[in-house]
Amino acid sequence: QKEVEQNSGPLSVPEGAIASLNCTYSDRGSQSFFWYRQYSGKSPELIMSIYSNGDKEDGRFTAQLNKASQYVSLLIRDSQPSDSATYLCAVNRYTGNQFYFGTGTSLTVIP
Amino acid sequence: DAGVTQSPTHLIKTRGQQVTLRCSPKSGHDTVSWYQQALGQGPQFIFQYYEEEERQRGNFPDRFSGHQFPNYSSELNVNALLLGDSALYLCASSSGTGVGSNEKLFFGSGTQLSVL
Repeated sequence: QKEVEQNSGPLSVPEGAIASLNCTYSDRGSQSFFWYRQYSGKSPELIMSIYSNGDKEDGRFTAQLNKASQYVSLLIRDSQPSDSATYLCAVNRYTGNQFYFGTGTSLTVIP
Repeated sequence: DAGVTQSPTHLIKTRGQQVTLRCSPKSGHDTVSWYQQALGQGPQFIFQYYEEEERQRGNFPDRFSGHQFPNYSSELNVNALLLGDSALYLCASSSGTGVGSNEKLFFGSGTQLSVL
């Protein structure tokens, strides 16, 4: 079982729609959760972090965490073509600052 | 405020050779982690350096080694290169390695290594 699992997609949404990205993790001891955006040929860029159950909003982005279900999601409202990228879910386990990444979900926003 | 810097940006080597990649962390950060990202995959943790010592290591062979200098910069060395070592190598910096740390990782632009 992989530490972090994501649907690789590709996920396509029309401009202005809501994009929903999902992630599950295997270690119940995981403490912190992150979403990174990676454009093709570039390095990952941190867009959201979440540490407690519930929702966290930052602009057009909302991260959701459910530790009981070991589930993390990212919602992107009013999707723009510039949001087209691969979105990586990352989990930091309690045992130290070692991050586990999913394989990423490729998102395409169609103008 | 300088971010994480890596050099070189691209590198081409042949099988059996050795390579050294370099990283300077973001200002104010003292911890450097190295990740390998194969095409179409997420980053895989190689190891982490803090206070000039390797603190954690992922599932990588001993051919992968590293070093951290007093100014917190770091090197990744890979010996006896294999074709499968071709990947994007990412350096990430953070502050501290405390258990349960909620510190965020900030990535450099990476070094694209091609092994022929």
